[in-house]
Amino acid sequence: TQLLEQSPQFLSIQEGENLTVYCNSSSVFSSLQWYRQEPGEGPVLLVTVVTGGEVKKLKRLTFQFGDARKDSSLHITAAQTGDTGLYLCAGAGGTSYGKLTFGQGTILTVHP
Amino acid sequence: NAGVTQTPKFRVLKTGQSMTLLCAQDMNHEYMYWYRQDPGMGLRLIHYSVGEGTTAKGEVPDGYNVSRLKKQNFLLGLESAAPSQTSVYFCASSYGLAGPWLSNNEQFFGPGTRLTVL
Repeated sequence: TQLLEQSPQFLSIQEGENLTVYCNSSSVFSSLQWYRQEPGEGPVLLVTVVTGGEVKKLKRLTFQFGDARKDSSLHITAAQTGDTGLYLCAGAGGTSYGKLTFGQGTILTVHP
Repeated sequence: NAGVTQTPKFRVLKTGQSMTLLCAQDMNHEYMYWYRQDPGMGLRLIHYSVGEGTTAKGEVPDGYNVSRLKKQNFLLGLESAAPSQTSVYFCASSYGLAGPWLSNNEQFFGPGTRLTVL
């Protein structure tokens, strides 16, 4: 069974601060996705990364895929209250071909 | 386009009762999925379908059955509900399978069904 460990599980910060969420596994994934989920709604895709070492930027969000394709990180610069939500990483490939394995999620709260 | 819709939004069952959750998508996607979400455990795949008339087991299939008689609909059934099935259930659909490519692998999720089994 492929596992994705996310850390931290909870993050509570002030507006304007920077933060990083980590997603780690002992398995290699062919691609990794990050989703954001707001209360009462389903997750929404933020980004997909497929190449080891790849870095993608989405405004204040920076996503990185590890060189060995076993880990990923999400960095948010100057967090805003609108960034509050649950962030989920999800890996594809290996024994779960065609399906996604989700991490347990990071609950981010940004205080004004 | 409505995207992915789920009915009902909330449901309370007694142990042993049965129910069916309905998922519908209007994006003509081949692939559909049922997940459950529990605190601290992310999303876990229950069953999925790679096309009309097909279903397959996911990570946590016990106690659930599914059917995909029409391409746009994916039904999740609980024959005899148990308190351990208290959860939030999400349906999702995608154009393609997740893999080493950038496009066509986004999963679109419905708003979820909150189920409580007493």
